[in-house]
Amino acid sequence: AQSVSQHNHHVILSEAASLELGCNYSYGGTVNLFWYVQYPGQHLQLLLKYFSGDPLVKGIKGFEAEFIKSKFSFNLRKPSVQWSDTAEYFCATPIFGNEKLTFGTGTRLTIIP
Amino acid sequence: NAGVTQTPKFQVLKTGQSMTLQCAQDMNHEYMSWYRQDPGMGLRLIHYSVGAGITDQGEVPNGYNVSRSTTEDFPLRLLSAAPSQTSVYFCASSYTTGGADGYTFGSGTRLTVV
Repeated sequence: AQSVSQHNHHVILSEAASLELGCNYSYGGTVNLFWYVQYPGQHLQLLLKYFSGDPLVKGIKGFEAEFIKSKFSFNLRKPSVQWSDTAEYFCATPIFGNEKLTFGTGTRLTIIP
Repeated sequence: NAGVTQTPKFQVLKTGQSMTLQCAQDMNHEYMSWYRQDPGMGLRLIHYSVGAGITDQGEVPNGYNVSRSTTEDFPLRLLSAAPSQTSVYFCASSYTTGGADGYTFGSGTRLTVV
């Protein structure tokens, strides 16, 4: 992929609600996709990644993402969120022959106890 | 295992001053990069390096210089600080280009230019 876009800028959910954050990519050959999370005041951490194979990818802390080629999407999901999931979430993809990693603008997730 | 270490954590500069943001990793990663994070704009790549002695520009390189004399260190230099460079700066490293194994990020440097 050559770029990713995230259209949800701020999502507010109550605890135990289900989560889906959108990420769309522009096709440019081999598609490698990532989701990163940034907890308040901390650095980015890798949640999960897709390179090939099973389009349903499972990551840490109960998160998963599904690669849907027909929709150019790689949405992040979690069946039941917790207050500790409050963070900013970034979708990312390598570009230009895998030399650079480009990020979406991020989605801020706020979980209300 | 320290991972990626960035110093300083906070810095206030006056317009026109210069400074160097330090980044060091102890994982023998070939690939290192600098990003700046601004509200609503995500992370934007400033400069990157695919190995010692090799650097290249990212999306927003103007006003910044880098060098990579060793595998471990990748300092970012602000030549003449401007208020537009107020941001949070993250250094990241990876064993492979494109971060196939995931990027390891430093804890960031919050820079304010007044």
